[in-house]
Formats: sequence, C-alpha cells, structure tokens
Amino acid sequence: GENVEQHPSTLSVQEGDSAVIKCTYSDSASNYFPWYKQELGKRPQLIIDIRSNVGEKKDQRIAVTLNKTAKHFSLHITETQPEDSAVYFCAATDNYGQNFVFGPGTRLSVLP
Amino acid sequence: DAGVIQSPRHEVTEMGQEVTLRCKPISGHNSLFWYRQTMMRGLELLIYFNNNVPIDDSGMPEDRFSAKMPNASFSTLKIQPSEPRDSAVYFCASKGDLAEREQFFGPGTRLTVL
Repeated sequence: GENVEQHPSTLSVQEGDSAVIKCTYSDSASNYFPWYKQELGKRPQLIIDIRSNVGEKKDQRIAVTLNKTAKHFSLHITETQPEDSAVYFCAATDNYGQNFVFGPGTRLSVLP
Repeated sequence: DAGVIQSPRHEVTEMGQEVTLRCKPISGHNSLFWYRQTMMRGLELLIYFNNNVPIDDSGMPEDRFSAKMPNASFSTLKIQPSEPRDSAVYFCASKGDLAEREQFFGPGTRLTVL
C-alpha cells in the first residue's frame, strides 16, 4: 500500500520568511496530492492540491511542486504570517480520490 | 449547506462502555470516511464507504470497532467495549463523486475513555 513520509515534523520561521515542507510517497499509481491545514482544535481543511499531470501550482502565497519521477512533492509558503501557524498534512491518493494516505504532519510556527 | 455534521462533539466515558459516534455527510456526497487522530499516530483512515457500501475497512484497529452507513445521510462508528487507548479525536469526512477529489471534514468528536 501507499506510504507517505513528511519532513520536517516541526518548523519554526520568522514572520515574512518562507517555509518549505516536503513529502515523499511510495505508490507510483498515486496521482492526486492534496495539502491540508489544521489549526489548533479545528478540522483539517484543504488549502491546495496538485494532480500528476502538473508539475507546479500556485495560489497567492502558497505553491506546491511535484516530481513524479522522484515521487516527492513540496509545499512552499512565502511571506509567512502568524495565521499560517498550524499543522500541515500532505496526502497521496489514487485516481478515484478514495484511499487517502496522510503524512504524519508538520507543525509550523511563525514567530512574530 | 451546513457541512459535515458530527455528534457528539465531546464524549467522556468509562472503560468498557459502548460509544457511538455519528456523522451526517454533505448532501449529495457519496463517499464517507472515518478517521482517528492522535498525537502518536497522526491522522489514520479507519474505514470508508462509497454509495453506503464499505469499501475498505483495513484501518479499523480491532473487532471492537464497527461502522455502518444505513443510508446516504447517516453513518455511525461504534466502539464496544471502549478502552482508554481509544481516546482520540474522530473525524468524519465526505466527498462528492469520483471526479471530485476534495474531502470535507466534520468538526470531529473528542473521545475520552477513562
């Protein structure tokens, strides 16, 4: 089955700096890679996703890159703000988006 | 739409008691997922349903756990008997048809087993 690893487990950055979170997956059949953000005490919410036919996707300060050959994808947050502080989960799933496998999460702290 | 609805939001029970968690997916969604979240194990998929049929329950930890989806608007996750190590936040999520990938999570149920 699919296995998703995520690094780092914790990340602290100064406000205004960039943050990068990296994930690897094992199943070459996976072709959809979402990122979820979970604020303290809240539910996970989708912030950005990428499909296997795309190498990069950007939405304002957030971008995701995908390298299918190497089976890794990354989340990039630029100009970080305190409200970006949360736990971020990457995930990988198959063509039907059913069997999500989540990474262990990265706790991002943006320091003022 | 009110989003995915879960009840109760908090549950405190004693070891050995039966616990039933409830979920109402977003109307029109035909896939439903149950997750368990703990500090140690992260976010784990327990079981998911498609069109009310259980597709994959390989994540269900033990026979003490069971899940049902009697109709498109309701699902339950039952633990009987409960144990302290079952303490976690249990999330329900739903998703539209196969062309839609995003899962929408409910607010979760925080379960504490004493």
